[in-house]
Amino acid sequence: AQTVTQSQPEMSVQEAETVTLSCTYDTSESDYYLFWYKQPPSRQMILVIRQEAYKQQNATENRFSVNFQKAAKSFSLKISDSQLGDAAMYFCAYRGLGNNNDMRFGAGTRLTVKP
Amino acid sequence: DAGITQSPRHKVTETGTPVTLRCHQTENHRYMYWYRQDPGHGLRLIHYSYGVKDTDKGEVSDGYSVSRSKTEDFLLTLESATSSQTSVYFCAISADQNTEAFFGQGTRLTVV
Repeated sequence: AQTVTQSQPEMSVQEAETVTLSCTYDTSESDYYLFWYKQPPSRQMILVIRQEAYKQQNATENRFSVNFQKAAKSFSLKISDSQLGDAAMYFCAYRGLGNNNDMRFGAGTRLTVKP
Repeated sequence: DAGITQSPRHKVTETGTPVTLRCHQTENHRYMYWYRQDPGHGLRLIHYSYGVKDTDKGEVSDGYSVSRSKTEDFLLTLESATSSQTSVYFCAISADQNTEAFFGQGTRLTVV
């Protein structure tokens, strides 16, 4: 089964600075999707960014970008110009395109933004 | 926002009692998922469905069963609740294999 690992339980960043959250995954599939979700204190799960494995170009969404290294099975999230509203739990997720089309999540990284 | 509703939002139940959580969607999405969220574990997949009456187990399915008799509803049942099933439960939906999942608001279940 696919596994997703987030090795940083907690991270902190100064407001306006840049922070990178790490994620690695294990899979034998060649085609799949990767996601980063944000969960603020409201508990709502919010999609931040998605990456198709067949695309070599790293996805970007405004201040959020990813560093996707397919051979290394690594999918990190970079948040630039951090804002107080970025404080949340961040989850990395993997979705395969084979027969088992489930979606697996990492344990999460709690991001604190210091003013 | 995707039309997805979980009920109830909060529930306290006693050990050994059956509990059913409901997920209702208005998006006509094919895929539906049940996750539980616990500190240090992130979201763990319990069961998922890829169509009416088509379901499969996730990584933590023991003690849980599901049913999907129509597209819009996905029910999660704890046949005999235990304290280890105290958790926040999330339902998610997805249109197809190429899209992201949208989540409900979560259900906080406490088993005493």
